[in-house]
Amino acid sequence: AQKVTQAQTEISVVEKEDVTLDCVYETRDTTYYLFWYKQPPSGELVFLIRRNSFDEQNEISGRYSWNFQKSTSSFNFTITASQVVDSAVYFCALIFPYSSASKIIFGSGTRLSIRP
Amino acid sequence: GAVVSQHPSRVICKSGTSVKIECRSLDFQATTMFWYRQFPKQSLMLMATSNEGSKATYEQGVEKDKFLINHASLTLSTLTVTSAHPEDSSFYICSARQGDGPYYGYTFGSGTRLTVV
Repeated sequence: AQKVTQAQTEISVVEKEDVTLDCVYETRDTTYYLFWYKQPPSGELVFLIRRNSFDEQNEISGRYSWNFQKSTSSFNFTITASQVVDSAVYFCALIFPYSSASKIIFGSGTRLSIRP
Repeated sequence: GAVVSQHPSRVICKSGTSVKIECRSLDFQATTMFWYRQFPKQSLMLMATSNEGSKATYEQGVEKDKFLINHASLTLSTLTVTSAHPEDSSFYICSARQGDGPYYGYTFGSGTRLTVV
């Protein structure tokens, strides 16, 4: 089965706290891509990061960092020093580029609320 | 960067009428576009995959005659909700894939919030 699980439905933290959003995926394929998207209240999907299955390097972009671990099939996303503007729904997603369907499989999303 | 324009962003229509939503890739050719539906506080549900010049492939449970998809050019796909009913009220979002190679990016439109009254 190919599946993305975001076990945290909602998270609420106070501004300036660090927060980690979990993402666990299931697949038997060896080639795949993982994504994180942000969906603010306005509704559009904002691309945050793409990682291919052969690149396990962690990545940092400003206050955002991602920890990809194939051994645990996880691709977690951490926001340090959170800000109110980070409040949004965050989706983890998976795609298999060599699949004939090439569909993006989305997790159920984590609603993040940052309180001032 | 790649941009996908989706129009309209919001639409209110009367029950029984049809509504057309457009999805355009502005600076690239998209041989494949995807249409998603999102219910409040839920994830995105893929409705159909649209390939330029051919019939769309619908996901299980999605009514083809209800949700008409046309992908007449490499930069435009349209979703028409026919004979809309209140239960069709939802957030619809399209995505365009840039290219057909083993690695390609997906760009999403800004979504259309449909309210059927």
